[in-house]
Amino acid sequence: AQKITQTQPGMFVQEKEAVTLDCTYDTSDPSYGLFWYKQPSSGEMIFLIYQGSYDQQNATEGRYSLNFQKARKSANLVISASQLGDSAMYFCAMREYSGGGADGLTFGKGTHLIIQP
Amino acid sequence: NAGVTQTPKFQVLKTGQSMTLQCAQDMNHEYMSWYRQDPGMGLRLIHYSVGAGITDQGEVPNGYNVSRSTTEDFPLRLLSAAPSQTSVYFCASTFIAGTTGELFFGEGSRLTVL
Repeated sequence: AQKITQTQPGMFVQEKEAVTLDCTYDTSDPSYGLFWYKQPSSGEMIFLIYQGSYDQQNATEGRYSLNFQKARKSANLVISASQLGDSAMYFCAMREYSGGGADGLTFGKGTHLIIQP
Repeated sequence: NAGVTQTPKFQVLKTGQSMTLQCAQDMNHEYMSWYRQDPGMGLRLIHYSVGAGITDQGEVPNGYNVSRSTTEDFPLRLLSAAPSQTSVYFCASTFIAGTTGELFFGEGSRLTVL
C-alpha cells in the first residue's frame, strides 16, 4: 500500500486564489513527521513546511499552512493568495521516527500546480 | 556553506557503460541517500547510509551500488547502465536524531542511457 497518496496529478488555479493540495498518509508509527517540498521547473527541491505527529497546532510558514487532520491521516498544504511563482510540482513526504528515522522520507507522486494570470 | 553537491549535472551513457554519480555534503549529516525521480512516480529511494561504513537498500536498489567511506561523500555507481536507469537522480542528507529530519537536496543529476 502506498504510504503517501496525492490524488491531484495536476491543478490549474487563478492567481491570488487560495490553493489546497491534498495529501493522505498511511502509517502505524505513532511518531512521524510530514513534509512538503516544492520543485519548480528548474528542478531543485525546496523544503516548504513540516508537521510533527505530536504537534498540537497546524504548521504555518508565511503563505503556506498545513491542514493536519490526524484522525483522517490527512496533511493538506494550503497556499494563500497564490502567485505565478507558485507554479511548480509539489511533493508530500513522511518520515517515521520510531525505527530511528533511518529510512528517510517516503514521497508521494506529486501534484503539478499551474497558476494562471 | 555549499550544502549538498552533486556531479555531474548531466550525463549521457550507452547501454552497458558504467559511471559514478558523486555526492558530497559539508553539513556533517550522518544520513545520506540517493533518490531517483521519474515522471509520475515521485521520488523513490535507491540506497541510503546512516554513517561511514554503513549502507542499506531502499525501494529500488537493483543496478546500483553505493559506499560510504567518509561522512562527507556518498557516491552512487551504475555498473552496467540500462535504458531503464534514465532518470533524474537526487542526493539528499540530514541529521538522524534531534531534528525533524528535513532532507537537504543536491541540485540533481540528469542521466540518459541510450
